Amino acid sequence: EVQLLQSGAEVKKPGESLKISCQGSGFSFTNYWIGWVRQLPGKGLEWMGIIYPGDSDIRYSPSFQGQITISVDTSISTTYLQWSSLKASDTAMYYCARHSGRTLYSWFDPWGQGTPVTVST
Amino acid sequence: EIVLTQSPGTLSLSPGERATLSCRASQSVGGTFLAWYQQKPGQAPRLLIYVASSRAPGIPDRFSGSWSGTDFTLTISRLEPEDFAVYYCQQYYSSPNTFGQGTKLEIK
Repeated sequence: EVQLLQSGAEVKKPGESLKISCQGSGFSFTNYWIGWVRQLPGKGLEWMGIIYPGDSDIRYSPSFQGQITISVDTSISTTYLQWSSLKASDTAMYYCARHSGRTLYSWFDPWGQGTPVTVST
Repeated sequence: EIVLTQSPGTLSLSPGERATLSCRASQSVGGTFLAWYQQKPGQAPRLLIYVASSRAPGIPDRFSGSWSGTDFTLTISRLEPEDFAVYYCQQYYSSPNTFGQGTKLEIK
């Protein structure tokens, strides 16, 4: 079964750093694009960026470029979403999701279960 | 960046009724590079439709997708109680991929 398992809930203070993870199983991890999606409390879905583990090709949304870092460790089939200095406005649910096909032009399926991040003093 | 505009923002219907949800793209999405997702409270989104009109595995046939130019439609032929949720469209034709703002389908 194709699965994405995300790391657990995080509570951080403004200015702190954070790295959350998404581990894939049941498929050839290096052959599929994996993306990150933000959902602010009570709001819609926002496409943040996407990585191809095979060669670490990364595409960021201009809205998130410079604010986040997406990376991968193929040895453990895991992709990461990282912040160097969190803001209260980063409080959200973060989902990872795999492209259904092996191309850049594909929809997301499946999705991880989500990682809630709370940034508060 | 391609902007997807979903309408209505909220749709109030009763079980058994037909639901029609709209998603309009600000420019071409390469024909049919569009997907629909369903999200229930506390859950991750679930793929319903891809390539504008193909149902994902396990999705009931009461869900259907169609399009004309840059206008896309998700239709639920007869609403079941479990269909009341938020629905999002997504274009995957150009980067950044974008989502519509969502349509909340609520019980009337």
